Amino acid sequence: NAGVTQTPKFQVLKTGQSMTLQCAQDMNHEYMSWYRQDPGMGLRLIHYSVGAGITDQGEVPNGYNVSRSTTEDFPLRLLSAAPSQTSVYFCASSYYGLNSGNTIYFGEGSWLTVV
Amino acid sequence: AQSVTQPDIHITVSEGASLELRCNYSYGATPYLFWYVQSPGQGLQLLLKYFSGDTLVQGIKGFEAEFKRSQSSFNLRKPSVHWSDAAEYFCAVLLRDDKIIFGKGTRLHILP
Repeated sequence: NAGVTQTPKFQVLKTGQSMTLQCAQDMNHEYMSWYRQDPGMGLRLIHYSVGAGITDQGEVPNGYNVSRSTTEDFPLRLLSAAPSQTSVYFCASSYYGLNSGNTIYFGEGSWLTVV
Repeated sequence: AQSVTQPDIHITVSEGASLELRCNYSYGATPYLFWYVQSPGQGLQLLLKYFSGDTLVQGIKGFEAEFKRSQSSFNLRKPSVHWSDAAEYFCAVLLRDDKIIFGKGTRLHILP
């Protein structure tokens, strides 16, 4: 049981490049989400999904796309990277729903720098 | 609008001293509340959570938190801190649509 796995852990991009942050979980969790963490800002929700084929926007969705074709995977795509997207990204997962007392599990983070 | 406020950006305490980290929330319904800890370069680890019942919640690593509805607060406490407690602490509230809103964090520094 690997939990929530994020790749890559570190990445440097040039402005305008595209890339995908991968997130996989092996706990059969329905709920998955992506957060970004910036100094002094805490964690802000980018996108989330409550099951395969279902995604929704969080607080800061602009510039990011997601898809959920399987229960296990929830990739985050940056179509045209901007320096403002320099951040640490965290993927999280949980059994649905969180309001039933389920715990949310976080990956170890992906450090992204856009130059 | 729903929000979580952690008034202290940094807190410094001496090793062995008691600790209280403040958290206030703004949410119309009964809140579900969390405290997470993040060590440098690491992900977030759940310390404790409040969903219902006893308003004093015990967590891991000797931490506890008390939910006070009248004050819209969920403060984290520890009677005696250890150097290994130095980290950043986040309070969070769970909304009905399964979104979690985090506070901006409090960085805890421990003096030897």
